[in-house]
Formats: sequence, C-alpha cells, structure tokens
Amino acid sequence: DTAVSQTPKYLVTQMGNDKSIKCEQNLGHDTMYWYKQDSKKFLKIMFSYNNKELIINETVPNRFSPKSPDKAHLNLHINSLELGDSAVYFCASSQVKVEQFFGPGTRLTVL
Amino acid sequence: LAKTTQPISMDSYEGQEVNITCSHNNIATNDYITWYQQFPSQGPRFIIQGYKTKVTNEVASLFIPADRKSSTLSLPRVSLSDTAVYYCLVGGASRNTGKLIFGQGTTLQVKP
Repeated sequence: DTAVSQTPKYLVTQMGNDKSIKCEQNLGHDTMYWYKQDSKKFLKIMFSYNNKELIINETVPNRFSPKSPDKAHLNLHINSLELGDSAVYFCASSQVKVEQFFGPGTRLTVL
Repeated sequence: LAKTTQPISMDSYEGQEVNITCSHNNIATNDYITWYQQFPSQGPRFIIQGYKTKVTNEVASLFIPADRKSSTLSLPRVSLSDTAVYYCLVGGASRNTGKLIFGQGTTLQVKP
C-alpha cells in the first residue's frame, strides 16, 4: 500500500486556469507538507498542516491555498496559474520530528 | 533561518566511501539534521537523522561536530544504484520550531 499518494501524477493546463492537486497519507501522521521543486532541483517548502492547523506558511503567492478536509489529506489549490508555477510538487507527511515521507510528485506544466 | 550549503556535485567509483558535507552555520539549538536521497522522478527518501556526534544505520553514517555548524553524510562502499541527489535538511524538531530548509542538493554520480 502506498504510504503517501498524490493525484494527478501529471497536470498540463493553460495560464489563468485553476487547478487542484490531491494528497493522501495512510501513515497516521500528524503533519503534512507541500513542497515545490523547480527545474534546478531546489526543494522548497510551501506549507505544512498539523492537525488541521497551518503551522508553516512560506512566502508563496496567495494564489496557492492548502486545504485539509481531515488529518489524512492535504490538497493544494492553485488559482490563476502562471508560467512560473510549472514545477514538480511533492506532498509529504511526518510525525513531529523531521523524518518525512514523500509522495511520488505531481509534474505541473503551465502553457 | 538555518540556511544550508552543500557541494553541487560529486563523482565517485563503485566500492569507495563517499562523504558529503553540509554547512549550516545558523543552526538553532533545537534543530535536527536530516539527510534525504532522491532518484529521478521520485520523491525524496529519508536516509538518516541526527542531533549531535555520530549516528549510524544500515545505509549511512552521519557525523556532527560539537558546534553543529556542519554535518557529513558518509556512504560506505557506494554502488551504481547510489547515484542520486542528496539533500541536507535542518530544522523542525517540534511543531513550533522554525523553518524546514533543504540545501540545494548534491548530485552524486557513481561510476563503474
């Protein structure tokens, strides 16, 4: 069974559209994260949620909004997509310490 | 913020020991140091974590000096399958501590 899963794996869309990426973890972890990895492989944290509470919110545009319907899910919604949003987005989960379990990634391409 | 700095790339040969050093001069008292491995088209995978001195598991060792301003990931006897990007992460020991900062990653190329 997949510990951290993301859907879709690939997402191709036009500028200006709104899209969502879903993430689910079956590890019973308290904290979930979203990361963005750009073409230079830099891995930057965007958000994390702990028991439905946002505890880290990096300086990302407010077009990006995390939504957590429950402890096992943290979805990423993106409004008005821009070319610069093209990247691979990773979801991860962990208990309090920093051993994080990452999903397989979602490659977003904005045309 | 505990910014981290790693070499961009390293080359090695099968069977050799590889040491990758990460600098984190501004590490906070309650920050942990964690290393991840990433293969192409996959998410990062946890390798090892430590706070101070030395930690060893079945795949790697982590050396942390007393001042904790750097750390060294040691991979014994690498094989071709160890070719990957290795990330150093500092931070996040508890839910209220600072930022989780990944280094830019070190691309390790293991040659036959």
